[in-house]
Amino acid sequence: EVQLVESGGGLVQPGGSLRLSCAASGFTVSGYSMNWVRQAPGKGLEWVSVIYSGGTTYYADAVKGRFTISRDSSKNTLYLQVNSLRAEDTAVYYCARGGYNAFHIWGQGTMLTVSS
Amino acid sequence: QSALTQPPSASGSPGQSVTISCTGTSNDVGGYNYVSWYQQHPGKAPKLMIFEVSKRPSGVPDRFSGSKSGNTASLTVSGLQAEDEADYYCSSYTGSNNSVFGTGTKVTVL
Repeated sequence: EVQLVESGGGLVQPGGSLRLSCAASGFTVSGYSMNWVRQAPGKGLEWVSVIYSGGTTYYADAVKGRFTISRDSSKNTLYLQVNSLRAEDTAVYYCARGGYNAFHIWGQGTMLTVSS
Repeated sequence: QSALTQPPSASGSPGQSVTISCTGTSNDVGGYNYVSWYQQHPGKAPKLMIFEVSKRPSGVPDRFSGSKSGNTASLTVSGLQAEDEADYYCSSYTGSNNSVFGTGTKVTVL
């Protein structure tokens, strides 16, 4: 069964860092485009970042320079390193498999709260 | 990149149809046939319902259909059922290796 399971969320102080993980099963992460999408409490969906199968990465302007997407083929896991966190980064972070045509498979999400 | 514009809410009685619009620009919705739609129930992850404007993934009922005209895409849910009550989001490729989502529409089954 194709499945994505996120982890690593939690409470972080402003300016802090964290690494979010997304473990994949049923397929190889490095063979697909993989994304991070976030949703602030009570708000809509916001695309954050993508890593293409070839390894090229792109980011939304709101996180460029602060977030880094990566993957580990040996662990079949996608990551999002989040640095210089701000209150407005508080959200549920979802990983999603898919290219620019659509996000076909989604994880259940992990909550990141930025607060002092 | 500004969010695509959707109506905040839509509603219909069981068995009726409801159509949700998603308005962007020639740089996103109007420029590419890469519009997708997602259903999200409270506390759950989004689920892909339509991709590439009008294609349905395996397992999605044919009551769900999509279309596009110019800079506006639409999702129609025919034969409304109680389980269709959810939030719906559109998304589009923007041509700069970015994607953008719509503002979201809450569908209520009366």
